[in-house]
Amino acid sequence: EPEVTQTPSHQVTQMGQEVILRCVPISNHLYFYWYRQILGQKVEFLVSFYNNEISEKSEIFDDQFSVERPDGSNFTLKIRSTKLEDSAMYFCASSDPGGRGYTFGSGTRLTVV
Amino acid sequence: AQSVTQLDSQVPVFEEAPVELRCNYSSSVSVYLFWYVQYPNQGLQLLLKYLSGSTLVKGINGFEAEFNKSQTSFHLRKPSVHISDTAEYFCAVSKISGGYNKLIFGAGTRLAVHP
Repeated sequence: EPEVTQTPSHQVTQMGQEVILRCVPISNHLYFYWYRQILGQKVEFLVSFYNNEISEKSEIFDDQFSVERPDGSNFTLKIRSTKLEDSAMYFCASSDPGGRGYTFGSGTRLTVV
Repeated sequence: AQSVTQLDSQVPVFEEAPVELRCNYSSSVSVYLFWYVQYPNQGLQLLLKYLSGSTLVKGINGFEAEFNKSQTSFHLRKPSVHISDTAEYFCAVSKISGGYNKLIFGAGTRLAVHP
């Protein structure tokens, strides 16, 4: 079964540093998403991306966040200057049109120290 | 906008007993409904989803859920649980559209299965 692949699985970074989280969505999916889960809390929507532009972003997705599809396969989330409160599990997901086939990656655990 | 309420934050149950995890949603438009399971330190695994058709949906690991439109509920059930079912369970909803669909998650229910 097709998978969404995320790298790295774990990342530790110092406060103020930039991080890039990477995702390879399912190849025939057109819609891409990032979600965040702070430890012990619910999963929260960050941003959706279609046709090389953001479709919707949440209030969490402020100016320190950006997303990009640099080539035909990768989808990245960049956090420009990390804060302690950015420590969380970040999930990438992709879906086919209409959202009937919605698949999550296994996540990247980001720890900001 | 959509919202999801999972009525129980924790559900303790003995092995081989039945279990029901409750989920209610709010939406002014038609929705898709999902249940995901998250084992400790792991990602989100889809248990089952309701898109259309029969209101009783069967998923993996012996779980099933029933969509009740009048009560705006999508409760998850399993007739006999195992120790290995111990995990966090999330209910999620998305509006039906031809485009992107963000998922709105509930706060989760921690299922603890005891021997």
